[in-house]
Amino acid sequence: AQKVTQAQTEISVVEKEDVTLDCVYETRDTTYYLFWYKQPPSGELVFLIRRNSFDEQNEISGRYSWNFQKSTSSFNFTITASQVVDSAVYFCALSGVPLMDSSYKLIFGSGTRLLVRP
Amino acid sequence: NAGVTQTPKFRVLKTGQSMTLLCAQDMNHEYMYWYRQDPGMGLRLIHYSVGEGTTAKGEVPDGYNVSRLKKQNFLLGLESAAPSQTSVYFCASSYSRLVGYEQYFGPGTRLTVT
Repeated sequence: AQKVTQAQTEISVVEKEDVTLDCVYETRDTTYYLFWYKQPPSGELVFLIRRNSFDEQNEISGRYSWNFQKSTSSFNFTITASQVVDSAVYFCALSGVPLMDSSYKLIFGSGTRLLVRP
Repeated sequence: NAGVTQTPKFRVLKTGQSMTLLCAQDMNHEYMYWYRQDPGMGLRLIHYSVGEGTTAKGEVPDGYNVSRLKKQNFLLGLESAAPSQTSVYFCASSYSRLVGYEQYFGPGTRLTVT
């Protein structure tokens, strides 16, 4: 079965602290993709990153970085020097079982709510 | 380029009433999806479409119907609303069926059924 687990329901940090959001996944596929989405208080879902199963290189984008480790089936997301604007719910997602015509559905974790206090 | 838009943004229905949620995308995407978001459960796929005139069931399709008469539009219908359908509904679209292509989401529709 395919599954995404975000064990941290809510995290609260003070501005400028670093914070890591955990994501653990389960899949039997050898080829798969992992995603992170951000959902700010306004409600929309914003795509942050995509990573394929063959690329274990860490990625950095400004204050954001992602650590993909196949050995532990984890795809963790770190925000360095957090800011109040980072407050949001963050979802990790896995490309799931192929649907009709080989399109796919995303399997989402339950999300981690991050609160950055000034 | 508006991306993915959804109407309405908010709606309150009484049990048994019907309504249609409209999703529109201007990115010429072939694939469109309807998800619902419930507290603590992430997003779950209701129905999806792999092209104009095609629709298929996702993991929680009961109580919903969909139509894709035009490539840019994907409609989600509730024929007889129930309180269990109180949720936030998201439409998404993607360029390709390949697993590597990200899905772009609309702003969501918050539906309350009393």
